[in-house]
Amino acid sequence: KQEVTQIPAALSVPEGENLVLNCSFTDSAIYNLQWFRQDPGKGLTSLLLIQSSQREQTSGRLNASLDKSSGRSTLYIAASQPGDSATYLCAVIIQGAQKLVFGQGTRLTINP
Amino acid sequence: ETGVTQSPTHLIKTRGQQVTLRCSSQSGHNTVSWYQQALGQGPQFIFQYYREEENGRGNFPPRFSGLQFPNYSSELNVNALELDDSALYLCASSPTGGRTDTQYFGPGTRLTVL
Repeated sequence: KQEVTQIPAALSVPEGENLVLNCSFTDSAIYNLQWFRQDPGKGLTSLLLIQSSQREQTSGRLNASLDKSSGRSTLYIAASQPGDSATYLCAVIIQGAQKLVFGQGTRLTINP
Repeated sequence: ETGVTQSPTHLIKTRGQQVTLRCSSQSGHNTVSWYQQALGQGPQFIFQYYREEENGRGNFPPRFSGLQFPNYSSELNVNALELDDSALYLCASSPTGGRTDTQYFGPGTRLTVL
């Protein structure tokens, strides 16, 4: 059974810092890994999708990496801003399934 | 291009009642998935519909059922509501149902069961 874990559960940093969010998964047989952002009480916004054959994806100040062999992904946020405050979720699609399997998320707070 | 929409936004029901939640997929998308997100948890997969057929189901009892219509909109029905059904229900659409597709989520329906 695929399990996805995100550490830390919560993170608070001052504005301007670079930071890394971690995601690990137990089964390396994945099709892709996706990072999402969720604002309180709202739906999910897709940030980055990494196919299983890729090592990283970048969008603006965000960079996500994928190491399938070790079952890990990181989301790097450069020059953090208060507007980056949200919960960040990672999710994988495993081979032979249609569903996204989510971690519990990291609640990020950027302090002005 | 219209994104994924869900209705209603909020809903309050009592235990034992039945509820129907609705989702309109993004234009051009033929696959819809439903997820349940309890407070403080990651979303859990309920089921997926591809071209009006159920195409995968998570670990949810049969009182959770769904439909997809010819225009690819979808409904989630929950019978005999229990207190633990209180959650944010999320709908996601994708272009073809392929496993490499990005899934696009709607804003969710907040269901409270009293």
